[in-house]
Amino acid sequence: KAGVTQTPRYLIKTRGQQVTLSCSPISGHRSVSWYQQTPGQGLQFLFEYFSETQRNKGNFPGRFSGRQFSNSRSEMNVSTLELGDSALYLCASSLNTGLGNEAFFGQGTRLTVV
Amino acid sequence: KQEVTQIPAALSVPEGENLVLNCSFTDSAIYNLQWFRQDPGKGLTSLLLIQSSQREQTSGRLNASLDKSSGRSTLYIAASQPGDSATYLCVLNNAGNMLTFGGGTRLMVKP
Repeated sequence: KAGVTQTPRYLIKTRGQQVTLSCSPISGHRSVSWYQQTPGQGLQFLFEYFSETQRNKGNFPGRFSGRQFSNSRSEMNVSTLELGDSALYLCASSLNTGLGNEAFFGQGTRLTVV
Repeated sequence: KQEVTQIPAALSVPEGENLVLNCSFTDSAIYNLQWFRQDPGKGLTSLLLIQSSQREQTSGRLNASLDKSSGRSTLYIAASQPGDSATYLCVLNNAGNMLTFGGGTRLMVKP
């Protein structure tokens, strides 16, 4: 059974550009959530999608957005990149949003903004 | 708002030692608690999942406990090995897979 797959693994972008990251959850999982990891702030919740609907959103500016497709694959987009957006972006998948579901993480996308 | 604290922030032990990592949280209305390990620059690997109704879980040399009334969880690692060196994260699920993370404990096991 394949795990959570994130692409690309590494990205280098210039300030002001936009970027799209992809996450393919474990087969059968319908919930995908996104997290940003930085040395200063640790791991912070960005948003969560279930059945193509955003169910929860963290405290990030509107430049951060996402979507989920009918096959549960999810993308997150960051527009007008800033240096502070440099981070490891992780996605997690779960069976659903019910009680007690285990979260499985991908290997992450390392974004560097120069 | 859930807040998760992990103590100690860093730990260095000789191989073979038993050790305990601590996690405290402020909101006991949780769905579950997971312990993860993270190797440098990598994703998170799930170690143990404790449901809200459970008190502990065991996997191999790892044992995790949960005490919701006191807002605490511990991860016990028996007979530590150099391969256990990593950052260990305590993660709370309060609602809808919106996870809250502790700051982590960076463990170094010396041969």
